Amino acid sequence: LAKTTQPISMDSYEGQEVNITCSHNNIATNDYITWYQQFPSQGPRFIIQGYKTKVTNEVASLFIPADRKSSTLSLPRVSLSDTAVYYCLVGEGYGQNFVFGPGTRLSVLP
Amino acid sequence: AAGVIQSPRHLIKEKRETATLKCYPIPRHDTVYWYQQGPGQDPQFLISFYEKMQSDKGSIPDRFSAQQFSDYHSELNMSSLELGDSALYFCASSLVTRGGAGTTEAFFGQGTRLTVV
Repeated sequence: LAKTTQPISMDSYEGQEVNITCSHNNIATNDYITWYQQFPSQGPRFIIQGYKTKVTNEVASLFIPADRKSSTLSLPRVSLSDTAVYYCLVGEGYGQNFVFGPGTRLSVLP
Repeated sequence: AAGVIQSPRHLIKEKRETATLKCYPIPRHDTVYWYQQGPGQDPQFLISFYEKMQSDKGSIPDRFSAQQFSDYHSELNMSSLELGDSALYFCASSLVTRGGAGTTEAFFGQGTRLTVV
């Protein structure tokens, strides 16, 4: 499984756009990039998944450059409720065991 | 929509006792995962099952065992409990798309908080 590196923490203010970048230099051809969000004492929650270029859903966008060695999760106009830990996971589209590395603790300030 | 159900939500045990955690995956999901998350730590993968067969094993202690039953629910059995086993235990399920590209979003339960005293 590809190792991922993310910033340990980030601060933002309400209404701002937040971009969290994840490095995965040894990503394999069959690997997908998946982001999860976790609130304290709750199970992680799927945010978005992508393979290349750009993916957008109702809560976030995922930008993946051509070399796929990194990815950026973009959260538009964050609110206080977006304060959570965000995890970047890299693995195959099936059979992966969702290895969680150190996530990014996002704090949204009023 | 049905979610992953874990029971019990809270469990207090004494050292050296045993504990059994249960997980009911989302209907028609074929893969179940177990994770352990200590205070202030990231979720650590323990074990997974695909179609009732163990498919992968992570950092699961020998004192722990797990299985998935014919109705797809899974149980994590923990024996000779230690203080360090106190943690949140999450179960997740997914529908794995094999043979090519596919998304395997995992849905997590609310977890079981185990406290060993």
